[in-house]
Amino acid sequence: KNEVEQSPQNLTAQEEEFITINCSYSVGISALHWLQQHPGGGIVSLFMLSSGKKKHGRLIATINIQEKHSSLHITASHPRDSAVYICAVETSGSRLTFGEGTQLTVNP
Amino acid sequence: NAGVTQTPKFRILKIGQSMTLQCTQDMNHNYMYWYRQDPGMGLKLIYYSVGAGITDKGEVPNGYNVSRSTTEDFPLRLELAAPSQTSVYFCASSYYVTGSYGYTFGSGTRLTVV
Repeated sequence: KNEVEQSPQNLTAQEEEFITINCSYSVGISALHWLQQHPGGGIVSLFMLSSGKKKHGRLIATINIQEKHSSLHITASHPRDSAVYICAVETSGSRLTFGEGTQLTVNP
Repeated sequence: NAGVTQTPKFRILKIGQSMTLQCTQDMNHNYMYWYRQDPGMGLKLIYYSVGAGITDKGEVPNGYNVSRSTTEDFPLRLELAAPSQTSVYFCASSYYVTGSYGYTFGSGTRLTVV
């Protein structure tokens, strides 16, 4: 079993839909990261959080340390949100352990 | 401010050839990393460095070598390329901020070994 599990693996939505991507982890962490990867592109850091909730534009990330669970929400989704979203946790020093990613496709 | 710069973006190698993937950051970050990304799998750590002159192995170091002579540069060396090293490679750097680390990733190098 992977230390970081994401669900769903693939998600297709219509424009304007509210989207949720989930991340569960099985180890103690100091922080959790949400990353975005566009096709053929690099990886961009969206959020880094160790408790509570953060919001940036239409993106919201939450974490529940007791339940070892985090969610990434996208409100009013748009085709440009189509990307792979990756959850990663800091477990040992500065190193990250990554989930396999969630492929999101938003159709117009 | 360029962030993390990786070169080349694409490369095809023949089995047994050698090459160096270059990585440079201009943010004065102490921590640097090399990851590989295989289809359907999460990124795996190859090597990392916590500062100039200090490197350490990650999860999948076999077949690779690194050096860190300056804060800015962290090249990854493949000595005898094998088909199993076909992957997308990402360099990253990070800085410490109140209890966790902020990360910046490069744009990746797509390597094919034939």
